[in-house]
Amino acid sequence: QVQLVESGGGLVKPGGSLRLSCAASGFTFSDYYMSWIRQAPGKGLEWVSYISSSGSTIYYADSVKGRFTISRDNAKNSLYLQMNSLRAEDTAVYYCARSRGGNGGAHYFDYWGQGTLVTVSS
Amino acid sequence: QSVLTQPPSASGTPGQRVAISCSGSSSDIGSEYVFWYQQLPGTAPKLLIYRNNQRPSGVSDRFSGSKSGTSASLAISGLRSEDEADYYCAAWDDSLSDYVFGTGTKVTVL
Repeated sequence: QVQLVESGGGLVKPGGSLRLSCAASGFTFSDYYMSWIRQAPGKGLEWVSYISSSGSTIYYADSVKGRFTISRDNAKNSLYLQMNSLRAEDTAVYYCARSRGGNGGAHYFDYWGQGTLVTVSS
Repeated sequence: QSVLTQPPSASGTPGQRVAISCSGSSSDIGSEYVFWYQQLPGTAPKLLIYRNNQRPSGVSDRFSGSKSGTSASLAISGLRSEDEADYYCAAWDDSLSDYVFGTGTKVTVL
């Protein structure tokens, strides 16, 4: 069965960095786009970024563009999110999700991990 | 990042039908597919409806989606206590090249 397990969350000071990882299993990782979506405490969902199966196509939300970098290692069945220049408003649970539908309007998330909490505070 | 507009709450008694609206614009719902996600308390979201009205394998046929113009709707028929959750619509915004979620609707079973 499809499993997505995030790790790497924690407490970090404003301006600091953190790298999230997502270990995938139960499907052929290299065949699928992957995404990161976040949810601030008590708030709604916010899409962060997605990456194509080969890594050649990447999109970011404006709120993280220039600060966050998504990447993947198909040999290790792993997805990553490098987060730099972190702000208090980046505090959220970060979910890794398997994506379907390719680029643009047909894109959606069919399996989600359990999430990892990132807290940005001094 | 723009968002899609949903009512904050909806409720019904067991067995009733509940409908949740999702309002967008010509650059998102008006020109792209709509998706719906269910988030049970304390858990990760789950895909409920894709491409406006398609149900993934394993999702009950009590859930149905529709779209008209720049709005979409999720209907839950035969409401059950286990349907108590937050529900989010979503779509790709063509003009922003951004994936936008709805504000979320909390469904309560009375």
